[in-house]
This record gives sequence, C-alpha cells and structure tokens, in this order.
Amino acid sequence: GQQLNQSPQSMFIQEGEDVSMNCTSSSIFNTWLWYKQEPGEGPVLLIALYKAGELTSNGRLTAQFGITRKDSFLNISASIPSDVGIYFCAGAVGNTPLVFGKGTRLSVIA
Amino acid sequence: GAGVSQSPRYKVAKRGQDVALRCDPISGHVSLFWYQQALGQGPEFLTYFQNEAQLDKSGLPSDRFFAERPEGSVSTLKIQRTQQEDSAVYLCASSLAPASSYNEQFFGPGTRLTVL
Repeated sequence: GQQLNQSPQSMFIQEGEDVSMNCTSSSIFNTWLWYKQEPGEGPVLLIALYKAGELTSNGRLTAQFGITRKDSFLNISASIPSDVGIYFCAGAVGNTPLVFGKGTRLSVIA
Repeated sequence: GAGVSQSPRYKVAKRGQDVALRCDPISGHVSLFWYQQALGQGPEFLTYFQNEAQLDKSGLPSDRFFAERPEGSVSTLKIQRTQQEDSAVYLCASSLAPASSYNEQFFGPGTRLTVL
C-alpha cells in the first residue's frame, strides 16, 4: 500500500527558531494535509493543499504541495512553546482513505 | 458540544473480552471514519460510513472487528475476543460531505484501549 515517509522523527528547538519538516511518498497524492496532535487529543487540521506547487500559509505556518505530487513540507516560523506536539502529514487520492505519516515530534525549549 | 465525541476515553480489557467503542459525530455530518493509532505511529484507516452505509471496511484488521452506524449518526466499533495487539487509540472522524473528494475530517479525542 501507499507509504508516507516523514522526517525528521523528532526535533528539539529553541523558542524563536524556525522549523522545517517534510513528507515524501512513493506514489502520487492529489491532496496533502498537515495535522497537529497534542497528548490525549485527536489530530487537528492545520493546512490543506489541493494543487501541485501550491504554497499556503496559516499564521506562522507555511506548507507547500510538491510539483511531483509526491512530497510536501511544513515550515513553522518563530516557534513558541505552544507549538509542541506531533505533526502528521497525510495524503489523499480522490475518495480513498487518508494515508498518514508517522509524525514529527516537536519539542520547544523556552 | 460542537465537536466529535468518543466514549469511553479509556478502556482496559482482559484478553478475550469484547469491547464496544462509541463515536458521536458532528451533527449533520454525512461521512464517518474510524482509525487505529498505535503508539508512536500515525492513524491508520479502519472503515468508512456514508450515512448508515459502510462503504469501505478494507482497513479492518480481522473479522473480530465490526463497525456499525445504524441510523446514520452515532457509530459503534466493536472488537470481539480482544488481543494484546489490539491495544491502541481508536479515533473517529466525521466530515460534512460524502467522500467523493477530500473533505475536512474532524477528529474526536479517541478511545485508548489497553488489552492486558
């Protein structure tokens, strides 16, 4: 089946630093999604991308849908302590089920 | 409440017991999804309902897993004769429209199942 490779697995950064994480796939998706999950909660959608090459921002978050449709990245600028959590990428093709990566665990040191 | 709710939030079962996990989707949402999230992993799709119809159950790991949504709103995921490998967080998500193309899925907080 489809697999998403998400990297890095974990990150420890200083407050105020920028963060970059990415996701690659062995096959094409036509929708890329980025979620954040905090302990004891379900994933919350941060950004949805629908077109190859699309660059979308949501506050301090920016995500891009790769031209090949096999990758996506998420950047967080000027990190703050509440950015702590696990960030998941997910891909979708039409009405097939979402496929999730294994997540990037972000820790922010104040 | 406005969000997806799940109950119980935590369930401990002895191996061999049957369990039932409940999901209350957002009112009016047509689509409902169940996912299994093992420790340190991303969610993995189990099954999908459009109203009361179970349109995709390709992710259910065995015939011990059964899901229903008889009236097109509340859904129950039942696991029979639980095994230790069933220990995971079970997430429910709903979306407004049929999944003909991607529509935002809103997730509940999950039920953490521990099988001893």
